[in-house]
Amino acid sequence: AQTVTQSQPEMSVQEAETVTLSCTYDTSESDYYLFWYKQPPSRQMILVIRQEAYKQQNATENRFSVNFQKAAKSFSLKISDSQLGDAAMYFCAYRSASGGSNYKLTFGKGTLLTVNP
Amino acid sequence: EAGVVQSPRYKIIEKKQPVAFWCNPISGHNTLYWYRQNLGQGPELLIRYENEEAVDDSQLPKDRFSAERLKGVDSTLKIQPAELGDSAVYLCASGVRVWDEQFFGPGTRLTVL
Repeated sequence: AQTVTQSQPEMSVQEAETVTLSCTYDTSESDYYLFWYKQPPSRQMILVIRQEAYKQQNATENRFSVNFQKAAKSFSLKISDSQLGDAAMYFCAYRSASGGSNYKLTFGKGTLLTVNP
Repeated sequence: EAGVVQSPRYKIIEKKQPVAFWCNPISGHNTLYWYRQNLGQGPELLIRYENEEAVDDSQLPKDRFSAERLKGVDSTLKIQPAELGDSAVYLCASGVRVWDEQFFGPGTRLTVL
């Protein structure tokens, strides 16, 4: 079974600064997807960024980018120019590409990000 | 475009009572998911529907939990009877197809006293 580990329960960053959230995962598969979700106090999970394992290029969405190291099974999220609205729980998630019940998302325990003004 | 709608947002019940949660997915989304999120944890899948068929319910505690998705649109998740350990946030998500992005609703926070 796949597992996702987020080793930082909490992180803080100053507004306008850059912060990196860590995620490692364990899998024997070669084809899969990785995601970062944001969950603000409203509880609604919002997809921040997605990475296909077969793509070597790191995904980028505006101020959000990832550092995907497939051999190391590492998938970190970098938030540049942090804004107060970025404060939330961030979850790293894994999903197999092989189908069947493997389509489910496996989440880490989350990292609580605080943005200080 | 309206998002995934869930109700109620909050529910407080006594243990051994029944409770039901309702989810209305985004129009046109064939796949529907129910997740349970315990405090301090990430969500865990309970059940996945493709249209009206439950195709993955391996994580659903079938002794007390049940779910249905009549006509392949709205879905209801029921717990009977509720236990203290069922206190959690129950999230519903939907997607066009199983391999597409999942869109989450705001969840229902259940407290069992």
